[in-house]
Amino acid sequence: AQSVTQLGSHVSVSEGALVLLRCNYSSSVPPYLFWYVQYPNQGLQLLLKYTSAATLVKGINGFEAEFKKSETSFHLTKPSAHMSDAAEYFCAVSPAGGSYIPTFGRGTSLIVHP
Amino acid sequence: NAGVTQTPKFRILKIGQSMTLQCAQDMNHNYMYWYRQDPGMGLKLIYYSVGAGITDKGEVPNGYNVSRSTTEDFPLRLELAAPSQTSVYFCASSYPGEGTEAFFGQGTRLTVV
Repeated sequence: AQSVTQLGSHVSVSEGALVLLRCNYSSSVPPYLFWYVQYPNQGLQLLLKYTSAATLVKGINGFEAEFKKSETSFHLTKPSAHMSDAAEYFCAVSPAGGSYIPTFGRGTSLIVHP
Repeated sequence: NAGVTQTPKFRILKIGQSMTLQCAQDMNHNYMYWYRQDPGMGLKLIYYSVGAGITDKGEVPNGYNVSRSTTEDFPLRLELAAPSQTSVYFCASSYPGEGTEAFFGQGTRLTVV
Protein backbone atom coordinates (compact mmCIF):
# COMPACT_ATOMS: atom_id res chain seq x y z
CA ALA A 1 0.00 0.00 0.00
CA GLN A 2 1.17 3.50 -0.72
CA SER A 3 1.32 6.34 1.76
CA VAL A 4 2.82 9.77 2.25
CA THR A 5 4.13 11.41 5.39
CA GLN A 6 4.36 15.15 5.72
CA LEU A 7 6.74 16.20 8.45
CA GLY A 8 5.38 19.10 10.45
CA SER A 9 1.75 20.11 10.60
CA HIS A 10 2.78 23.78 10.69
CA VAL A 11 5.77 25.57 9.20
CA SER A 12 6.40 29.21 10.00
CA VAL A 13 8.73 31.44 7.94
CA SER A 14 9.42 35.12 7.52
CA GLU A 15 8.59 36.87 4.28
CA GLY A 16 11.58 36.50 1.95
CA ALA A 17 12.90 33.38 3.67
CA LEU A 18 13.31 29.93 2.17
CA VAL A 19 10.27 27.67 2.26
CA LEU A 20 10.86 23.94 2.77
CA LEU A 21 7.92 21.55 3.18
CA ARG A 22 8.79 17.90 3.61
CA CYS A 23 7.14 14.87 2.08
CA ASN A 24 8.25 11.24 2.22
CA TYR A 25 6.47 8.44 0.43
CA SER A 26 6.16 4.74 0.92
CA SER A 27 5.69 2.64 -2.17
CA SER A 28 7.09 -0.59 -3.57
CA VAL A 29 7.82 1.10 -6.90
CA PRO A 30 8.45 4.79 -7.62
CA PRO A 31 4.99 6.33 -7.74
CA TYR A 32 3.61 9.52 -9.18
CA LEU A 33 3.87 12.39 -6.72
CA PHE A 34 1.95 15.64 -6.44
CA TRP A 35 1.86 18.80 -4.39
CA TYR A 36 -1.45 20.60 -4.01
CA VAL A 37 -2.19 23.94 -2.35
CA GLN A 38 -5.41 24.89 -0.56
CA TYR A 39 -6.15 28.53 0.17
CA PRO A 40 -8.69 29.32 2.91
CA ASN A 41 -12.22 28.19 2.13
CA GLN A 42 -11.22 26.84 -1.28
CA GLY A 43 -10.63 23.49 -2.91
CA LEU A 44 -7.23 22.03 -3.68
CA GLN A 45 -5.32 23.04 -6.78
CA LEU A 46 -2.26 21.45 -8.32
CA LEU A 47 1.12 23.09 -7.67
CA LEU A 48 3.30 20.55 -9.45
CA LYS A 49 3.70 16.85 -10.15
CA TYR A 50 6.42 14.27 -10.70
CA THR A 51 5.79 11.74 -13.46
CA SER A 52 9.32 10.30 -13.91
CA ALA A 53 10.38 12.68 -16.69
CA ALA A 54 12.70 14.88 -14.61
CA THR A 55 13.62 14.65 -10.95
CA LEU A 56 13.48 18.43 -10.41
CA VAL A 57 9.97 19.66 -11.08
CA LYS A 58 8.99 23.30 -11.37
CA GLY A 59 5.48 24.40 -10.53
CA ILE A 60 3.39 27.51 -10.29
CA ASN A 61 4.14 30.54 -8.10
CA GLY A 62 7.90 29.84 -7.95
CA PHE A 63 7.63 26.47 -6.18
CA GLU A 64 9.69 23.45 -7.11
CA ALA A 65 10.21 19.95 -5.78
CA GLU A 66 12.91 17.34 -6.20
CA PHE A 67 12.24 13.62 -6.40
CA LYS A 68 14.91 11.64 -4.55
CA LYS A 69 14.42 7.90 -4.93
CA SER A 70 17.21 7.00 -2.50
CA GLU A 71 15.54 9.07 0.22
CA THR A 72 11.93 8.33 -0.88
CA SER A 73 11.33 12.05 -0.65
CA PHE A 74 9.61 14.78 -2.64
CA HIS A 75 10.21 17.98 -0.66
CA LEU A 76 8.67 21.27 -1.80
CA THR A 77 10.77 24.43 -1.82
CA LYS A 78 10.53 28.09 -2.72
CA PRO A 79 13.56 30.41 -2.43
CA SER A 80 11.68 33.42 -1.09
CA ALA A 81 8.35 33.28 0.73
CA HIS A 82 5.60 35.77 -0.01
CA MET A 83 2.67 36.62 2.21
CA SER A 84 0.34 35.20 -0.43
CA ASP A 85 1.96 31.75 -0.02
CA ALA A 86 0.23 31.29 3.32
CA ALA A 87 -1.99 28.23 2.77
CA GLU A 88 -2.33 24.51 3.45
CA TYR A 89 -0.08 22.27 1.33
CA PHE A 90 -0.77 18.62 0.62
CA CYS A 91 1.56 15.99 -0.76
CA ALA A 92 -0.16 13.14 -2.63
CA VAL A 93 0.88 9.87 -4.25
CA SER A 94 -0.74 7.67 -6.85
CA PRO A 95 0.64 4.29 -7.80
CA ALA A 96 2.46 3.50 -11.02
CA GLY A 97 0.65 0.80 -12.95
CA GLY A 98 -2.18 0.89 -10.47
CA SER A 99 -5.55 2.39 -9.81
CA TYR A 100 -4.54 6.08 -10.30
CA ILE A 101 -6.37 6.99 -7.10
CA PRO A 102 -4.40 9.56 -5.11
CA THR A 103 -3.61 9.17 -1.42
CA PHE A 104 -3.03 12.41 0.47
CA GLY A 105 -0.79 13.34 3.36
CA ARG A 106 -2.12 15.13 6.42
CA GLY A 107 -1.14 18.54 5.13
CA THR A 108 1.24 21.28 6.27
CA SER A 109 0.02 24.73 7.10
CA LEU A 110 2.48 27.39 5.90
CA ILE A 111 2.48 30.57 7.98
CA VAL A 112 4.32 33.59 6.58
CA HIS A 113 5.28 36.42 8.92
CA PRO A 114 5.90 39.95 7.67
CA ASN B 1 -15.23 26.72 -17.76
CA ALA B 2 -16.93 25.43 -14.59
CA GLY B 3 -14.69 22.42 -13.77
CA VAL B 4 -16.03 20.61 -10.69
CA THR B 5 -19.10 22.15 -9.08
CA GLN B 6 -20.34 21.22 -5.62
CA THR B 7 -23.60 22.22 -3.98
CA PRO B 8 -24.44 23.32 -1.37
CA LYS B 9 -21.43 25.21 0.00
CA PHE B 10 -22.68 25.07 3.59
CA ARG B 11 -25.27 22.99 5.39
CA ILE B 12 -26.36 22.36 8.95
CA LEU B 13 -28.12 19.06 9.60
CA LYS B 14 -29.78 17.66 12.69
CA ILE B 15 -28.81 14.21 13.91
CA GLY B 16 -30.73 11.56 11.99
CA GLN B 17 -31.56 13.74 9.00
CA SER B 18 -30.48 12.83 5.52
CA MET B 19 -29.11 14.85 2.64
CA THR B 20 -27.40 14.60 -0.70
CA LEU B 21 -24.25 16.48 -1.60
CA GLN B 22 -24.21 17.22 -5.29
CA CYS B 23 -21.15 17.09 -7.53
CA ALA B 24 -20.95 17.73 -11.25
CA GLN B 25 -18.00 18.02 -13.63
CA ASP B 26 -17.89 19.21 -17.21
CA MET B 27 -14.46 17.89 -18.21
CA ASN B 28 -15.63 14.43 -19.33
CA HIS B 29 -13.49 12.79 -16.66
CA ASN B 30 -14.08 9.10 -16.06
CA TYR B 31 -12.79 9.08 -12.49
CA MET B 32 -14.60 10.87 -9.69
CA TYR B 33 -13.94 10.89 -5.96
CA TRP B 34 -15.41 12.00 -2.67
CA TYR B 35 -13.06 12.98 0.13
CA ARG B 36 -13.67 14.34 3.59
CA GLN B 37 -11.25 16.73 5.23
CA ASP B 38 -10.91 16.95 8.99
CA PRO B 39 -8.42 19.26 10.75
CA GLY B 40 -4.95 17.74 10.90
CA MET B 41 -6.10 14.54 9.20
CA GLY B 42 -5.67 15.40 5.55
CA LEU B 43 -8.12 14.03 3.02
CA LYS B 44 -9.74 10.64 3.47
CA LEU B 45 -11.31 8.87 0.50
CA ILE B 46 -14.97 8.01 1.04
CA TYR B 47 -16.03 6.58 -2.33
CA TYR B 48 -14.80 6.69 -5.87
CA SER B 49 -16.05 5.87 -9.33
CA VAL B 50 -14.15 4.85 -12.45
CA GLY B 51 -17.08 5.45 -14.79
CA ALA B 52 -20.84 5.62 -15.07
CA GLY B 53 -22.45 2.72 -13.22
CA ILE B 54 -19.27 1.76 -11.35
CA THR B 55 -18.56 2.80 -7.76
CA ASP B 56 -16.34 1.46 -5.01
CA LYS B 57 -15.58 2.09 -1.36
CA GLY B 58 -12.66 4.10 -0.20
CA GLU B 59 -11.06 4.30 3.21
CA VAL B 60 -14.03 5.68 5.19
CA PRO B 61 -17.32 4.66 3.47
CA ASN B 62 -19.49 3.93 6.52
CA GLY B 63 -22.56 6.15 6.74
CA TYR B 64 -22.40 7.22 3.09
CA ASN B 65 -23.73 6.06 -0.25
CA VAL B 66 -23.05 7.10 -3.82
CA SER B 67 -24.37 6.55 -7.30
CA ARG B 68 -23.00 7.34 -10.77
CA SER B 69 -25.69 7.28 -13.40
CA THR B 70 -23.90 9.70 -15.76
CA THR B 71 -20.30 10.65 -16.45
CA GLU B 72 -20.96 14.18 -15.20
CA ASP B 73 -22.65 13.62 -11.83
CA PHE B 74 -21.52 11.86 -8.66
CA PRO B 75 -23.82 12.61 -5.68
CA LEU B 76 -22.95 11.60 -2.12
CA ARG B 77 -25.80 10.56 0.16
CA LEU B 78 -25.85 10.73 3.96
CA GLU B 79 -28.75 8.66 5.23
CA LEU B 80 -28.70 9.15 9.02
CA ALA B 81 -26.50 12.09 9.86
CA ALA B 82 -24.25 11.76 12.91
CA PRO B 83 -22.00 14.34 14.61
CA SER B 84 -18.96 12.34 13.40
CA GLN B 85 -19.92 13.34 9.87
CA THR B 86 -19.27 16.99 10.59
CA SER B 87 -16.54 17.76 8.08
CA VAL B 88 -15.64 19.49 4.84
CA TYR B 89 -16.44 17.34 1.82
CA PHE B 90 -14.59 17.60 -1.46
CA CYS B 91 -15.51 16.12 -4.78
CA ALA B 92 -12.76 15.64 -7.36
CA SER B 93 -12.36 14.21 -10.84
CA SER B 94 -9.56 13.08 -13.13
CA TYR B 95 -8.76 11.36 -16.38
CA PRO B 96 -7.80 7.71 -16.00
CA GLY B 97 -4.11 7.63 -16.65
CA GLU B 98 -0.80 7.40 -14.94
CA GLY B 99 0.32 10.64 -13.36
CA THR B 100 -2.88 12.54 -14.04
CA GLU B 101 -3.87 15.06 -11.43
CA ALA B 102 -7.22 15.49 -9.72
CA PHE B 103 -9.39 18.57 -10.11
CA PHE B 104 -11.29 19.63 -7.01
CA GLY B 105 -14.54 21.38 -6.26
CA GLN B 106 -14.80 24.20 -3.73
CA GLY B 107 -16.07 21.94 -0.99
CA THR B 108 -19.20 21.57 1.15
CA ARG B 109 -18.92 22.43 4.83
CA LEU B 110 -21.35 20.20 6.75
CA THR B 111 -22.20 20.53 10.42
CA VAL B 112 -24.33 17.91 12.18
CA VAL B 113 -25.91 19.08 15.44
